[in-house]
Amino acid sequence: GQSLEQPSEVTAVEGAIVQINCTYQTSGFYGLSWYQQHDGGAPTFLSYNALDGLEETGRFSSFLSRSDSYGYLLLQELQMKDSASYFCAVRAGYSTLTFGKGTMLLVSP
Amino acid sequence: NAGVMQNPRHLVRRRGQEARLRCSPMKGHSHVYWYRQLPEEGLKFMVYLQKENIIDESGMPKERFSAEFPKEGPSILRIQQVVRGDSAAYFCASSPPPDNNSPLHFGNGTRLTVT
Repeated sequence: GQSLEQPSEVTAVEGAIVQINCTYQTSGFYGLSWYQQHDGGAPTFLSYNALDGLEETGRFSSFLSRSDSYGYLLLQELQMKDSASYFCAVRAGYSTLTFGKGTMLLVSP
Repeated sequence: NAGVMQNPRHLVRRRGQEARLRCSPMKGHSHVYWYRQLPEEGLKFMVYLQKENIIDESGMPKERFSAEFPKEGPSILRIQQVVRGDSAAYFCASSPPPDNNSPLHFGNGTRLTVT
């Protein structure tokens, strides 16, 4: 089976940088993804890492270390609209994504 | 290009009734996934379907729950004889034929409340 651990809550102020960590245990590994969910709405895809290293997409970056079974999502120049839940997810087989329990990010002025 | 459409957005059922949740995937997507989310919890995988086929139902409770994705029409998640513990948000997602980098596109979910 698969299991993922991420902090339940992170707080930060506008303009700051925040890092959300994710560790995983899985039999078979095909990549680590990140999704964002606002107020219980539709989760939306943010990023995907299959290989070690950093992937940058605008203010968001995602990192993966396969040897450490570890990744993180880095959010820069935080804005109030970034307040949301962030989920890491692993694909361990052909089809199914397994999600972590999510990290609620609270951005304050 | 319309996104994943789920209906109804909210559904209230009394204990013992049946709940039917519908999902129309994005245009061009032939793979559908159902997830359940409890408050303050992550998304728990239930079932993965292609047209007319169930590919993976390892997350589906063995009793009372069923899913289908017919050749024509939306995917349906059916819960028979609902109990209070079935109250949750049910999300549908779709993708093109999955490879390792196929992101899932989620609908807005159906919030089921069992009274």
